[in-house]
Amino acid sequence: GNSVTQMEGPVTLSEEAFLTINCTYTATGYPSLFWYVQYPGEGLQLLLKATKADDKGSNKGFEATYRKETTSFHLEKGSVQVSDSAVYFCALNEAAGNKLTFGGGTRVLVKP
Amino acid sequence: SQTIHQWPATLVQPVGSPLSLECTVEGTSNPNLYWYRQAAGRGLQLLFYSVGIGQISSEVPQNLSASRPQDRQFILSSKKLLLSDSGFYLCAWRSVRVDGYTFGSGTRLTVV
Repeated sequence: GNSVTQMEGPVTLSEEAFLTINCTYTATGYPSLFWYVQYPGEGLQLLLKATKADDKGSNKGFEATYRKETTSFHLEKGSVQVSDSAVYFCALNEAAGNKLTFGGGTRVLVKP
Repeated sequence: SQTIHQWPATLVQPVGSPLSLECTVEGTSNPNLYWYRQAAGRGLQLLFYSVGIGQISSEVPQNLSASRPQDRQFILSSKKLLLSDSGFYLCAWRSVRVDGYTFGSGTRLTVV
């Protein structure tokens, strides 16, 4: 079956530091890949997505590249802000599937 | 525009009491609908999904059930809550025309 593995947190950073959250996946076929963000006390928001190999999703300074050869979709941001403190979820949806499969989530805490 | 409503936002219920959480979607027709649960400190687990009225797929055996009485209404229920049912419940919908999911703001359930 499909699965998503992402690095465990919490990740604690200082403001303006570089952020990487690793995500790897297992899937049959060619899934779409997503990063969702959950700010404290809120639901999930789509941060970015990529639908095919070598696509790069980007939003709010975050980027992730769909790497089929390494089955990875690592999230990066060059300079984090306190407002980026949240839980980040990597997820995949198989092209012919009806379900979104999530990783365990990574909590990020950015300190001023 | 499409919106998703989920209520209540928070709920405290005694063990053994019934549960009914409601989710409605506006601005779309025939959406795929989902219930996810996020237990404390853990990732997101898909509980149920529905591709149409009266069609429910259960992902994990549990104390909960789901129903879809109308096209844009998805209800999560329990006859008798357990302590282990505590968590953050998220409703989501997926348009068959758009490769993306939209989440509600969530219901935080505490069973005491």
